[in-house]
Amino acid sequence: GAVVSQHPSRVICKSGTSVKIECRSLDFQATTMFWYRQFPKQSLMLMATSNEGSKATYEQGVEKDKFLINHASLTLSTLTVTSAHPEDSSFYICSARRRGSLKDTQYFGPGTRLTVL
Amino acid sequence: GDSVTQMEGPVTLSEEACLTINCTYTATGYPSLFWYVQYPGEGLQLLLKATKADDKGSNKGFEATYRKETTSFHLEKGSVQVSDSAVYFCALTLNSGYSTLTFGKGTMLLVSP
Repeated sequence: GAVVSQHPSRVICKSGTSVKIECRSLDFQATTMFWYRQFPKQSLMLMATSNEGSKATYEQGVEKDKFLINHASLTLSTLTVTSAHPEDSSFYICSARRRGSLKDTQYFGPGTRLTVL
Repeated sequence: GDSVTQMEGPVTLSEEACLTINCTYTATGYPSLFWYVQYPGEGLQLLLKATKADDKGSNKGFEATYRKETTSFHLEKGSVQVSDSAVYFCALTLNSGYSTLTFGKGTMLLVSP
């Protein structure tokens, strides 16, 4: 158990368009979901933490109007990159913490490769 | 702030060679320590973890011991396989409340036949 999926796995879009990435916990309820961004040859950078039914908490330096996060249910969180530009091209990974699990348990999705032309 | 430092890669080994990937940390509290593995084109998978000093995490032949005195959590494997080729991330989370993960920059391991 504890599978997290992301959709799409890859997306290529034109500059100025918006892109939505979905993160789903397939077999458990996720009270908290995390969104990370990974640059080539670099570590994961936490972008935001979202709790079901409440507003996301963004890390310093992350534009909340640029990266819209919605956690509408216990199994789904979405990240929308608004008015995407080439510098937004990156690998976006979500993770989910299972309801009732230990605080250090996160299950990661397979990631979404975003390319903005 | 909290941070994790890993040795830079890539680490290139022949099959059946011994592996050590160094990881040291700084933390304001008492962290739990983790190793995650990322295979090409995939997300992260938890490889092993240790939650207190002197604990040893192990999985799939990999081991790491939580050394508080040296603030280290080095990853070791006695005999690597080609299928171990991946990027390995050391990470920590504080044991106080629902804290987030802090990752190192990752170390790429390349194992040749």
